[in-house]
Amino acid sequence: DVKVTQSSRYLVKRTGEKVFLECVQDMDHENMFWYRQDPGLGLRLIYFSYDVKMKEKGDIPEGYSVSREKKERFSLILESASTNQTSMYLCASRDGPSYEQYFGPGTRLTVT
Amino acid sequence: QKEVEQNSGPLSVPEGAIASLNCTYSDRVSQSFFWYRQYSGKSPELIMSIYSNGDKEDGRFTAQLNKASQYVSLLIRDSQPSDSATYLCAVNSFTGGGNKLTFGTGTQLKVEL
Repeated sequence: DVKVTQSSRYLVKRTGEKVFLECVQDMDHENMFWYRQDPGLGLRLIYFSYDVKMKEKGDIPEGYSVSREKKERFSLILESASTNQTSMYLCASRDGPSYEQYFGPGTRLTVT
Repeated sequence: QKEVEQNSGPLSVPEGAIASLNCTYSDRVSQSFFWYRQYSGKSPELIMSIYSNGDKEDGRFTAQLNKASQYVSLLIRDSQPSDSATYLCAVNSFTGGGNKLTFGTGTQLKVEL
């Protein structure tokens, strides 16, 4: 079974703080993704990576950056957290041939 | 902007009935289609993948794909209260940056005793 883990289930940060969300997968997948999910807006893609040190902007990259130094680890960084970044953050990794994506448990981030 | 449309529901069905969930998509060249189940407060869980026109069955779940009509559906037979969740349709599309999934906003299913 694919296992995707995320560093925290719940996180509370203050406005202006730098926030790191980490994601690790154990299936040697090349592709990894960061989404946020908000009521009524569904899942929106923030960034994705198709290889180590490679990254591509998704649909809503503003206010975020990412890092992928190792194949199994993909980090999402909020340089200066704002209240409108309060959300559920979901990491996923993808099996290449099937395009199936597998999600981690999610991090519910609250910025106060 | 590639789109995936789902009726938000809630769709209420009695226990033991067939639940039918529908999804339409805008990108004609999409080749891969997925259904995810998401319980409240949890992350999405992949339950079905379908790539060819027709039906694909897995236990109580059947996915149906009609590329000409740009339509994909999920049937859940013998619905159980534990099937109560939000079901997300996802469609794989190729963009300049690579292959990405576009998700619908989900259909909430309620299975009533």
